[in-house]
Amino acid sequence: EAEVAQSPRYKITEKSQAVAFWCDPISGHATLYWYRQILGQGPELLVQFQDESVVDDSQLPKDRFSAERLKGVDSTLKIQPAELGDSAMYLCASSTGTSFHTDTQYFGPGTRLTVL
Amino acid sequence: QKEVEQNSGPLSVPEGAIASLNCTYSDRVSQSFFWYRQYSGKSPELIMSIYSNGDKEDGRFTAQLNKASQYVSLLIRDSQPSDSATYLCAVGYSSASKIIFGSGTRLSIRP
Repeated sequence: EAEVAQSPRYKITEKSQAVAFWCDPISGHATLYWYRQILGQGPELLVQFQDESVVDDSQLPKDRFSAERLKGVDSTLKIQPAELGDSAMYLCASSTGTSFHTDTQYFGPGTRLTVL
Repeated sequence: QKEVEQNSGPLSVPEGAIASLNCTYSDRVSQSFFWYRQYSGKSPELIMSIYSNGDKEDGRFTAQLNKASQYVSLLIRDSQPSDSATYLCAVGYSSASKIIFGSGTRLSIRP
C-alpha cells in the first residue's frame, strides 16, 4: 500500500539552529501539504503545493520558515532559526489534487521536533 | 467562532458500548466531511469520509451528516480498548478551497 514518507521521525535541536524536514508523497499525488500540530490541537496548515506551485502559504511564518517542492514530487520544509515555540509534530500529507476541499488527505508518520 | 468545533473530552465510554463523537462547522456550503483517528504520538489516519446527508456505515463505524444543522457525528459500536484515541473532524470549505481540522475529541474506552 502506498504511503507518505517523512524523515527524520524525531529531531532535537537547540534554539537558533536550522532544521529541515523531508516528505515524499504518494506516487501520483499532485497536492502536498505541510501541517504543524501542537499537542492537544488539530493540524494547522502551513503550506500547500499543487505540483511545484504554492497554493496556500498564508499561515507559514515566512520570516523563519520556508518550503519548496522543486520538481513537484518530494518537498522540504525548513526552519531557520528554530524557536522554543516551534516544538511540535510536523505532518506531511498528500492528495490526488482533483479538488482541494473534497480530496482525501493521507498523512505521513510525522516528524516530532523538540527545540531546547 | 471556530470553523470546526469539537468537544475536547475526554469522553469515557465502557467497553462494548456505543461512543458518539460530535462536530459542528460554520460554513453552510461545506461539501466534504472526514473523520480521522489519531493515536498518541502518531499521525492521523482516515476512518471515514461522508459527502451527503444521512448515515454512512463501515463496520463498527457510522458517520452521520446533517447539513441543515451543520453537524456531523461519528458513532462507534461495540467500543474496544483499541478505539481509545483522539478523533479529528475535518471539513472541506469550498469558499476557502481547503480542508480545516477541528482540535479533536479524546476518547477513552474503559474495560
